[in-house]
Amino acid sequence: KQEVTQIPAALSVPEGENLVLNCSFTDSAIYNLQWFRQDPGKGLTSLLLIQSSQREQTSGRLNASLDKSSGRSTLYIAASQPGDSATYLCATSRTGRRALTFGSGTRLQVQP
Amino acid sequence: KAGVTQTPRYLIKTRGQQVTLSCSPISGHRSVSWYQQTPGQGLQFLFEYFSETQRNKGNFPGRFSGRQFSNSRSEMNVSTLELGDSALYLCASSLEGGFGSNSPLHFGNGTRLTVT
Repeated sequence: KQEVTQIPAALSVPEGENLVLNCSFTDSAIYNLQWFRQDPGKGLTSLLLIQSSQREQTSGRLNASLDKSSGRSTLYIAASQPGDSATYLCATSRTGRRALTFGSGTRLQVQP
Repeated sequence: KAGVTQTPRYLIKTRGQQVTLSCSPISGHRSVSWYQQTPGQGLQFLFEYFSETQRNKGNFPGRFSGRQFSNSRSEMNVSTLELGDSALYLCASSLEGGFGSNSPLHFGNGTRLTVT
């Protein structure tokens, strides 16, 4: 059974800092991995999806990498802003179907 | 383009009652999946529908059920509510959803269910 872990559980950084969020998974037989952000009381917003054949994906100030063999993914946020404050979740899909396995998230606070 | 719409936004029910939650996917999306989010268990997969057929079901008791209509709208039902069913229920839609799909999930803002 897939287990997804995100460390740290919470992170507070000053505005402008570059930061890395970590996601690890126990079963490397994944089809893709997706990063989401969740604002308080809201649903999830898809940030990046990395296919198993890819090593990384970029969108604006966000860069996500995937190392299947070691069971790790990282989300790099450049030049953080207060608006980046949210909970970030990673999730894996074994087959491409919608039964994602989620990590418990990293709660990020960017101080102005 | 309108996002995923879930109604109602909030619900308060009593133990033993049943509840129906509704989800309208993004136009053109045929896959709808449901997740339960609680502080203790995090996000857990409930079930997935595609073209009115349930394709996958998570590890939840039979009190949790769902369906999908021909217009891709979906409902989930929870019967004989228990206190532990209190959670944020999230619906997500995607363009595809079968084996080999790399369509990202788009989530609604959820229905907050409180069982007293």
